[in-house]
Amino acid sequence: EVQLVESGGGLVQPGGSLRLSCAASGFTLFSNWMHWVRQAPGKGLVWVSRINRDGTDANYADSVKGRFTISRDNAKNTLYLQMNSLRAEDTAVYYCARGCDGDCHGIDHWGQGTLVTVSS
Amino acid sequence: QSALTQPASVSGSPGQSITISCSGTSSDFGGYNYVSWFRQHPGKAPKLVIYDVSHRPSGVSDRFSGSKSGNTASLTISGLQAEDEADYFCFSFTTSNTHVFGGGTKLTVL
Repeated sequence: EVQLVESGGGLVQPGGSLRLSCAASGFTLFSNWMHWVRQAPGKGLVWVSRINRDGTDANYADSVKGRFTISRDNAKNTLYLQMNSLRAEDTAVYYCARGCDGDCHGIDHWGQGTLVTVSS
Repeated sequence: QSALTQPASVSGSPGQSITISCSGTSSDFGGYNYVSWFRQHPGKAPKLVIYDVSHRPSGVSDRFSGSKSGNTASLTISGLQAEDEADYFCFSFTTSNTHVFGGGTKLTVL
């Protein structure tokens, strides 16, 4: 069974940094692209970033480009999101999500999310 | 990177069918058939119900179907059930090698 477990969320002041982790199990992390998606309280889903299988290529939403960095350690089956220069509008539940297997293009599995609150 | 456009809400009675639209620009859809749909119950993680416009993942009811015409994708749920009451989001791959979600649609089963 595919499982994705996020950690590292919490309260951080504006301008601060936080690193999220996502522990993957039930599949070989190297086999899939991986994504981060966020959802502000009471709002919709927003795609944040994705990274290719070996970590050599990544894409970002304009709202986080230059501030967030996605990375992965396939040997540790772990995905990361380094978040710098955090703003109040970054407050959200952050989901780790697996890129689809096979002929599917997109996301097929999600973690339960970790809450990041940016506030003074 | 504006969100794809979805109606804020739709409703239907048990047994009826509803359709949720998802519209964007040609750049939003990238010329590909890479549109997915997710269902999200309150406080829960999203769940994939349709991928690549019209394909159902294993275990998803055949009451769910998808289509796309031009720059508008659609999700149809037939034989509405109480458990279908949830938020629904479309998701697409763009020409910028990024992804974008729709703003979400709240489905109410009357």
